[in-house]
Amino acid sequence: DGGITQSPKYLFRKEGQNVTLSCEQNLNHDAMYWYRQDPGQGLRLIYYSQIVNDFQKGDIAEGYSVSREKKESFPLTVTSAQKNPTAFYLCASSITGVDEKLFFGSGTQLSVL
Amino acid sequence: EDQVTQSPEALRLQEGESSSLNCSYTVSGLRGLFWYRQDPGKGPEFLFTLYSAGEEKEKERLKATLTKKESFLHITAPKPEDSATYLCAVHNTDKLIFGTGTRLQVFP
Repeated sequence: DGGITQSPKYLFRKEGQNVTLSCEQNLNHDAMYWYRQDPGQGLRLIYYSQIVNDFQKGDIAEGYSVSREKKESFPLTVTSAQKNPTAFYLCASSITGVDEKLFFGSGTQLSVL
Repeated sequence: EDQVTQSPEALRLQEGESSSLNCSYTVSGLRGLFWYRQDPGKGPEFLFTLYSAGEEKEKERLKATLTKKESFLHITAPKPEDSATYLCAVHNTDKLIFGTGTRLQVFP
Protein backbone atom coordinates (compact mmCIF):
# COMPACT_ATOMS: atom_id res chain seq x y z
CA ASP A 1 0.00 0.00 0.00
CA GLY A 2 1.22 3.51 -0.80
CA GLY A 3 1.78 5.92 2.03
CA ILE A 4 4.13 7.97 4.16
CA THR A 5 6.39 6.36 6.73
CA GLN A 6 7.81 8.36 9.60
CA SER A 7 10.38 7.04 12.05
CA PRO A 8 11.00 6.78 14.87
CA LYS A 9 7.60 7.02 16.59
CA TYR A 10 9.23 8.43 19.74
CA LEU A 11 12.54 10.30 20.03
CA PHE A 12 14.39 11.81 22.93
CA ARG A 13 16.93 14.60 22.59
CA LYS A 14 19.64 15.57 25.01
CA GLU A 15 20.61 19.20 25.39
CA GLY A 16 23.05 20.29 22.69
CA GLN A 17 22.27 17.31 20.49
CA ASN A 18 21.05 17.28 16.88
CA VAL A 19 18.45 14.65 16.00
CA THR A 20 17.06 13.59 12.63
CA LEU A 21 13.49 12.53 11.90
CA SER A 22 12.93 10.30 8.91
CA CYS A 23 10.15 10.66 6.33
CA GLU A 24 9.74 8.37 3.31
CA GLN A 25 6.88 8.26 0.79
CA ASN A 26 6.04 5.83 -2.00
CA LEU A 27 3.15 7.84 -3.45
CA ASN A 28 5.29 9.37 -6.21
CA HIS A 29 4.34 12.83 -4.92
CA ASP A 30 6.47 15.83 -5.86
CA ALA A 31 5.70 17.97 -2.79
CA MET A 32 6.64 17.13 0.78
CA TYR A 33 6.18 19.07 4.02
CA TRP A 34 7.15 19.12 7.67
CA TYR A 35 4.68 20.42 10.26
CA ARG A 36 4.96 20.87 13.98
CA GLN A 37 1.93 20.28 16.23
CA ASP A 38 1.75 21.65 19.77
CA PRO A 39 -1.21 21.28 22.15
CA GLY A 40 -3.76 24.04 21.63
CA GLN A 41 -2.13 25.30 18.42
CA GLY A 42 -2.78 24.68 14.78
CA LEU A 43 -0.24 22.83 12.65
CA ARG A 44 2.66 25.10 11.76
CA LEU A 45 4.79 24.68 8.65
CA ILE A 46 8.53 24.17 9.19
CA TYR A 47 9.84 23.45 5.68
CA TYR A 48 8.47 22.30 2.37
CA SER A 49 9.87 21.01 -0.91
CA GLN A 50 8.23 20.84 -4.31
CA ILE A 51 11.11 19.30 -6.19
CA VAL A 52 14.27 17.33 -5.54
CA ASN A 53 17.25 19.42 -4.37
CA ASP A 54 15.04 22.42 -3.60
CA PHE A 55 13.18 23.43 -0.44
CA GLN A 56 11.73 26.56 1.19
CA LYS A 57 11.38 27.76 4.75
CA GLY A 58 7.97 27.76 6.33
CA ASP A 59 6.74 29.90 9.21
CA ILE A 60 8.96 28.38 11.94
CA ALA A 61 12.16 27.20 10.21
CA GLU A 62 14.64 28.53 12.79
CA GLY A 63 16.51 25.70 14.50
CA TYR A 64 15.58 23.14 11.83
CA SER A 65 17.19 21.91 8.61
CA VAL A 66 16.10 19.59 5.80
CA SER A 67 17.39 17.92 2.65
CA ARG A 68 15.67 16.53 -0.43
CA GLU A 69 18.21 14.38 -2.26
CA LYS A 70 15.61 11.87 -3.43
CA LYS A 71 11.97 12.31 -4.40
CA GLU A 72 10.93 9.72 -1.82
CA SER A 73 12.78 11.11 1.18
CA PHE A 74 12.59 14.36 3.17
CA PRO A 75 14.43 14.08 6.50
CA LEU A 76 14.19 16.80 9.14
CA THR A 77 17.05 17.64 11.51
CA VAL A 78 16.22 19.36 14.77
CA THR A 79 19.38 21.22 15.73
CA SER A 80 20.62 22.33 19.11
CA ALA A 81 19.59 25.87 18.11
CA GLN A 82 15.94 24.86 18.51
CA LYS A 83 15.43 25.66 22.19
CA ASN A 84 11.91 24.29 22.53
CA PRO A 85 11.83 21.15 20.39
CA THR A 86 9.27 19.13 22.36
CA ALA A 87 6.34 18.61 19.96
CA PHE A 88 4.60 16.16 17.64
CA TYR A 89 6.20 16.33 14.17
CA LEU A 90 4.20 15.46 11.08
CA CYS A 91 5.47 14.81 7.59
CA ALA A 92 3.06 15.18 4.68
CA SER A 93 3.03 15.00 0.91
CA SER A 94 0.83 16.11 -1.97
CA ILE A 95 0.92 15.51 -5.70
CA THR A 96 2.30 18.93 -6.59
CA GLY A 97 1.40 21.66 -4.09
CA VAL A 98 -0.38 22.96 -1.02
CA ASP A 99 -3.63 23.62 -2.87
CA GLU A 100 -4.26 19.87 -2.86
CA LYS A 101 -5.14 17.43 -0.12
CA LEU A 102 -2.25 16.38 2.06
CA PHE A 103 -1.33 12.82 2.96
CA PHE A 104 0.20 12.64 6.43
CA GLY A 105 2.51 10.19 8.12
CA SER A 106 1.81 8.86 11.60
CA GLY A 107 4.07 11.39 13.30
CA THR A 108 7.12 11.48 15.58
CA GLN A 109 6.86 12.63 19.20
CA LEU A 110 10.07 14.42 20.16
CA SER A 111 10.84 15.05 23.81
CA VAL A 112 13.78 16.63 25.60
CA LEU A 113 15.61 14.67 28.29
CA GLU B 1 -4.00 38.93 9.32
CA ASP B 2 -5.32 35.68 7.89
CA GLN B 3 -6.93 33.56 10.59
CA VAL B 4 -8.82 30.29 11.05
CA THR B 5 -10.90 29.71 14.18
CA GLN B 6 -12.61 26.48 15.10
CA SER B 7 -15.39 26.07 17.66
CA PRO B 8 -16.16 24.55 20.01
CA GLU B 9 -12.78 23.39 21.30
CA ALA B 10 -14.35 20.21 22.61
CA LEU B 11 -17.72 18.57 22.13
CA ARG B 12 -19.26 15.60 23.90
CA LEU B 13 -22.20 13.89 22.21
CA GLN B 14 -24.29 10.88 23.01
CA GLU B 15 -24.44 8.28 20.27
CA GLY B 16 -27.11 9.34 17.78
CA GLU B 17 -27.09 13.01 18.86
CA SER B 18 -26.45 15.09 15.74
CA SER B 19 -24.42 18.31 15.90
CA SER B 20 -22.19 20.68 13.93
CA LEU B 21 -18.60 21.85 14.17
CA ASN B 22 -17.69 25.35 13.01
CA CYS B 23 -14.68 26.72 11.14
CA SER B 24 -14.70 30.48 10.61
CA TYR B 25 -12.02 32.18 8.55
CA THR B 26 -10.71 35.55 7.47
CA VAL B 27 -8.32 35.17 4.59
CA SER B 28 -7.31 37.25 1.61
CA GLY B 29 -8.43 35.13 -1.29
CA LEU B 30 -9.85 31.72 -0.42
CA ARG B 31 -8.51 29.03 -2.71
CA GLY B 32 -9.84 26.04 -0.81
CA LEU B 33 -11.00 24.83 2.60
CA PHE B 34 -10.01 21.40 3.87
CA TRP B 35 -11.37 19.19 6.65
CA TYR B 36 -9.20 16.50 8.25
CA ARG B 37 -9.80 13.93 10.98
CA GLN B 38 -7.02 13.17 13.48
CA ASP B 39 -7.01 10.25 15.90
CA PRO B 40 -4.81 10.47 19.04
CA GLY B 41 -1.14 9.89 18.26
CA LYS B 42 -1.77 9.66 14.51
CA GLY B 43 -1.45 11.94 11.52
CA PRO B 44 -4.50 13.77 10.11
CA GLU B 45 -6.59 12.00 7.48
CA PHE B 46 -8.21 13.94 4.65
CA LEU B 47 -12.00 14.23 4.62
CA PHE B 48 -13.18 16.99 2.28
CA THR B 49 -12.14 19.94 0.13
CA LEU B 50 -14.55 22.83 -0.54
CA TYR B 51 -13.78 25.59 -3.01
CA SER B 52 -16.73 27.98 -3.27
CA ALA B 53 -19.61 29.28 -1.19
CA GLY B 54 -22.66 27.06 -1.40
CA GLU B 55 -20.65 23.91 -2.02
CA GLU B 56 -21.49 20.80 0.02
CA LYS B 57 -19.84 17.39 0.30
CA GLU B 58 -20.92 14.24 2.14
CA LYS B 59 -19.26 11.09 3.36
CA GLU B 60 -21.17 8.60 5.47
CA ARG B 61 -22.38 10.52 8.57
CA LEU B 62 -20.39 13.67 7.73
CA LYS B 63 -21.47 16.62 5.62
CA ALA B 64 -19.33 19.70 5.02
CA THR B 65 -20.75 23.04 3.88
CA LEU B 66 -19.12 26.36 2.98
CA THR B 67 -20.18 30.02 3.08
CA LYS B 68 -18.11 33.13 2.43
CA LYS B 69 -17.08 33.34 6.08
CA GLU B 70 -17.30 29.86 7.56
CA SER B 71 -17.63 26.14 7.06
CA PHE B 72 -19.65 23.63 9.03
CA LEU B 73 -19.00 19.96 9.52
CA HIS B 74 -22.35 18.35 10.30
CA ILE B 75 -22.33 14.98 12.02
CA THR B 76 -25.57 13.04 11.75
CA ALA B 77 -26.33 10.28 14.25
CA PRO B 78 -22.70 9.94 15.36
CA LYS B 79 -21.19 6.70 16.59
CA PRO B 80 -18.36 6.23 19.12
CA GLU B 81 -15.96 5.54 16.24
CA ASP B 82 -16.48 9.15 15.09
CA SER B 83 -14.58 10.29 18.18
CA ALA B 84 -11.51 12.21 17.01
CA THR B 85 -10.16 15.72 16.58
CA TYR B 86 -11.45 17.45 13.45
CA LEU B 87 -9.11 19.98 11.84
CA CYS B 88 -10.01 22.73 9.41
CA ALA B 89 -7.40 24.28 7.09
CA VAL B 90 -7.74 27.17 4.68
CA HIS B 91 -5.61 27.78 1.62
CA ASN B 92 -5.16 31.48 0.89
CA THR B 93 -3.11 32.86 -1.96
CA ASP B 94 0.13 31.16 -0.95
CA LYS B 95 -0.15 28.91 2.09
CA LEU B 96 -2.27 26.61 4.22
CA ILE B 97 -3.50 27.88 7.60
CA PHE B 98 -4.73 25.33 10.13
CA GLY B 99 -7.23 25.87 12.92
CA THR B 100 -6.65 24.41 16.38
CA GLY B 101 -9.28 21.70 15.94
CA THR B 102 -12.43 20.47 17.66
CA ARG B 103 -12.04 17.41 19.88
CA LEU B 104 -15.19 15.29 19.51
CA GLN B 105 -16.14 12.53 21.94
CA VAL B 106 -19.13 10.33 21.20
CA PHE B 107 -20.17 8.06 24.03
CA PRO B 108 -22.62 5.12 23.93
